[in-house]
Amino acid sequence: NAGVTQTPKFQVLKTGQSMTLQCAQDMNHEYMSWYRQDPGMGLRLIHYSVGAGITDQGEVPNGYNVSRSTTEDFPLRLLSAAPSQTSVYFCASSYGRMNSGNTIYFGEGSWLTVV
Amino acid sequence: DAKTTQPPSMDCAEGRAANLPCNHSTISGNEYVYWYRQIHSQGPQYIIHGLKNNETNEMASLIITEDRKSSTLILPHATLRDTAVYYCIVPNNAGNMLTFGGGTRLMVKP
Repeated sequence: NAGVTQTPKFQVLKTGQSMTLQCAQDMNHEYMSWYRQDPGMGLRLIHYSVGAGITDQGEVPNGYNVSRSTTEDFPLRLLSAAPSQTSVYFCASSYGRMNSGNTIYFGEGSWLTVV
Repeated sequence: DAKTTQPPSMDCAEGRAANLPCNHSTISGNEYVYWYRQIHSQGPQYIIHGLKNNETNEMASLIITEDRKSSTLILPHATLRDTAVYYCIVPNNAGNMLTFGGGTRLMVKP
């Protein structure tokens, strides 16, 4: 996976704790997004950003916040972790919109368990 | 937004071509078809995408029917490392979201 870096790779949280998943890309991509994948299911879009200072909600935004202060970074914040947020989280980036034929690249994932 | 339909699973013998079909009968004229794969729970790996013409790269070939209602991903010489879930995806109209359905679980056997 070219240039999308996620940290941490594994994290265990207690219910009610907050944390931030970090995502950085070095490809000068305008589009960045966060997906979650629950066991045996496909990825679902949480939030996305079309450029620095611009963010929007995806399919499953509740319980998550994002910000985009730089082109390179797109952190995902869990405000008050719940067991339902136990999942694998993937960050992705692309040069532009995918209906223009741009390729989206994914990070390796962050495994989050909320107990 | 166009929906895609794929068989849930397929087997392929090592060294043979793997042909993975996808139906996207509601696709519109300017919507691309993307293929990704996911090995275990790793990040989805981009394979190929196309609009109207057939496409080929170092990983695979993509054959799109003339009416664009279906496509086939071809892995010309499958190896055991190609065992994965393969997703055929048409991005939403706004171009900001990929919807991952069930995909096709390809098992390459020795």
